[in-house]
Amino acid sequence: QVQLQQWGAGLLKPSETLSLTCAVSDGVFSGYYWSWIRQFPGKGLEWIGEIDHGGRTNYKSSLESRVTISVDTSKRQFSLRLNSVTAADTAVYYCARTATTGGFYRGDSWGQGTLVTVSS
Amino acid sequence: DIQLTQSPSSLSASVGDRVTITCRAAQTINTYLNWYQQIPGKAPNLLIYAASNLQRGVPSRFSGSGSGTEFTLTISSLQPEDFGTYFCQQSYTTTWTFGHGTRVEVK
Repeated sequence: QVQLQQWGAGLLKPSETLSLTCAVSDGVFSGYYWSWIRQFPGKGLEWIGEIDHGGRTNYKSSLESRVTISVDTSKRQFSLRLNSVTAADTAVYYCARTATTGGFYRGDSWGQGTLVTVSS
Repeated sequence: DIQLTQSPSSLSASVGDRVTITCRAAQTINTYLNWYQQIPGKAPNLLIYAASNLQRGVPSRFSGSGSGTEFTLTISSLQPEDFGTYFCQQSYTTTWTFGHGTRVEVK
């Protein structure tokens, strides 16, 4: 059964860069999209973006200027970078596997989450 | 972005009760609608995908229905482990959006 393990810095200052990595153990790596989703302190969920094993990406338009998602298939890892963070980026960040069978996209396996706090 | 509105925002029910949660989309999303359960401190867990398909390993007391703009998640007989917050999520557009959640308390 696939497991996603994520890590990265949890405390940032405004204007710094958020950097998180998610490692995928077991299961097939190709044939899925790999996504980042965040959950704000008020509990709302926001999709950030996704990448496939070939490196094709899709980003939320309002974050596109600051976000980069990359993949390293040899390590079975994918990463998130978010530039110029502000307090509004404080959230729990999740990585997730996106299953796409039948054209129906859904997050069928998630990492444990990383709390990222932006504070001066 | 497509807005999803869930109701109720919270509910309290007893073990064995039938529970229904509604999710309404601001525009038609066909059946591109998923449901998740989130227990406090944990990541969301997929229950239902494509409006009515039960995710592998999820108990059969969970079911989903609907298409277009109105969807429901039903728990046929509420169990103690069903507490938490339930979210709907649309994948009709590349940019997913989520409902604000329904908090379920088991009496």
